[in-house]
Amino acid sequence: GESVGLHLPTLSVQEGDNSIINCAYSNSASDYFIWYKQESGKGPQFIIDIRSNMDKRQGQRVTVLLNKTVKHLSLQIAATQPGDSAVYFCAENILPGGSYIPTFGRGTSLIVHP
Amino acid sequence: KAGVTQTPRYLIKTRGQQVTLSCSPISGHRSVSWYQQTPGQGLQFLFEYFSETQRNKGNFPGRFSGRQFSNSRSEMNVSTLELGDSALYLCASSLMAGEGEKLFFGSGTQLSVL
Repeated sequence: GESVGLHLPTLSVQEGDNSIINCAYSNSASDYFIWYKQESGKGPQFIIDIRSNMDKRQGQRVTVLLNKTVKHLSLQIAATQPGDSAVYFCAENILPGGSYIPTFGRGTSLIVHP
Repeated sequence: KAGVTQTPRYLIKTRGQQVTLSCSPISGHRSVSWYQQTPGQGLQFLFEYFSETQRNKGNFPGRFSGRQFSNSRSEMNVSTLELGDSALYLCASSLMAGEGEKLFFGSGTQLSVL
């Protein structure tokens, strides 16, 4: 099975609500995690990252939480806007032989209703 | 600064043909990696190049190959195309390799194999 997965394939929220997207990973050796946003017709876009020596990191309207005990990652989006509608991927970076290879989850589709 | 550029944007081929996709990374970025994205498998790592050398390779058959030039531009080639090769092929660049760097993606080449 996949080493990185998402609990919910689709998340629908109302504009202004907070959104939480979850991700589970299985490789306890992974030490670098990234969230990407992919809009229709575009490539994934970096949102926020976190290293395993941290459990929380905040950006502009986004927060990533890392729980290494249960190998869980979440992305929180505050005051969700219609422009946030996209597919969100988490990626864990695996380090075989000295170079990182990212493994991506399947993605969660976030739908924001105005 | 220009982003990652991939050409062509769309491509239609028939089974048995071969195809070459091109990627120009962000100026100054030395690492280029390639990914295949399909609805069924999600984003999967193909290979990564740094300073004209392939550093890592994903779990794809030998029909998938790539190379990187001295100006960091990269090409990937797929020979003897199969229907299952229909996918969005994404290229990403990063400043360095092996440091867990965030990736900057192009918009991809949508390949359809008939």
